[in-house]
Amino acid sequence: NAGVTQTPKFRVLKTGQSMTLLCAQDMNHEYMYWYRQDPGMGLRLIHYSVGEGTTAKGEVPDGYNVSRLKKQNFLLGLESAAPSQTSVYFCASSSSGTGYGANVLTFGAGSRLTVL
Amino acid sequence: AQTVTQSQPEMSVQEAETVTLSCTYDTSENNYYLFWYKQPPSRQMILVIRQEAYKQQNATENRFSVNFQKAAKSFSLKISDSQLGDTAMYFCALDDYKLSFGAGTTVTVRA
Repeated sequence: NAGVTQTPKFRVLKTGQSMTLLCAQDMNHEYMYWYRQDPGMGLRLIHYSVGEGTTAKGEVPDGYNVSRLKKQNFLLGLESAAPSQTSVYFCASSSSGTGYGANVLTFGAGSRLTVL
Repeated sequence: AQTVTQSQPEMSVQEAETVTLSCTYDTSENNYYLFWYKQPPSRQMILVIRQEAYKQQNATENRFSVNFQKAAKSFSLKISDSQLGDTAMYFCALDDYKLSFGAGTTVTVRA
């Protein structure tokens, strides 16, 4: 009954360092998303995927890369971390895409990233 | 301009009382979906309630109900008989072929 699992839950980086956030879902969902949550700004979409091997840019993609080599995993990478990327990152998955009432997102518990 | 606006950053309510959270949105679509998600202190976001725009009837889930006014593009959430476990941040979201979230409203239920 895991749903969506994110690792790590917390991470502190120095400016310029790189890291990867891992998202894994066990619900056989086609769609996966990475959001960032910042105070007063709600959730903003970074990148998303509509199926294995596909990725697409969201609202705030700059400075991030993603990969979906396996259907159950969606990786978010920061190649050269900047203080502006300090945020809480959420992964989510859904069985259908936007425009359908079934597009209910299942979220992970979030990953708090601090870039010094 | 924001697509989804939640004008109340914080709200406080006494246990067992009722609180209403406001949400307004902007879309040119005629058919779309609206959601309220809850994010408790544990950070795990969960769906509270969902409304389809072409349905006139307001959605209800136990103590949670919405007041959907399509012409006014308003989608408020009412929490009745508030419980301490309702303490959370609540996000309004619009799916008009693109999913957009509001900035959130923090609700604190006082014992």
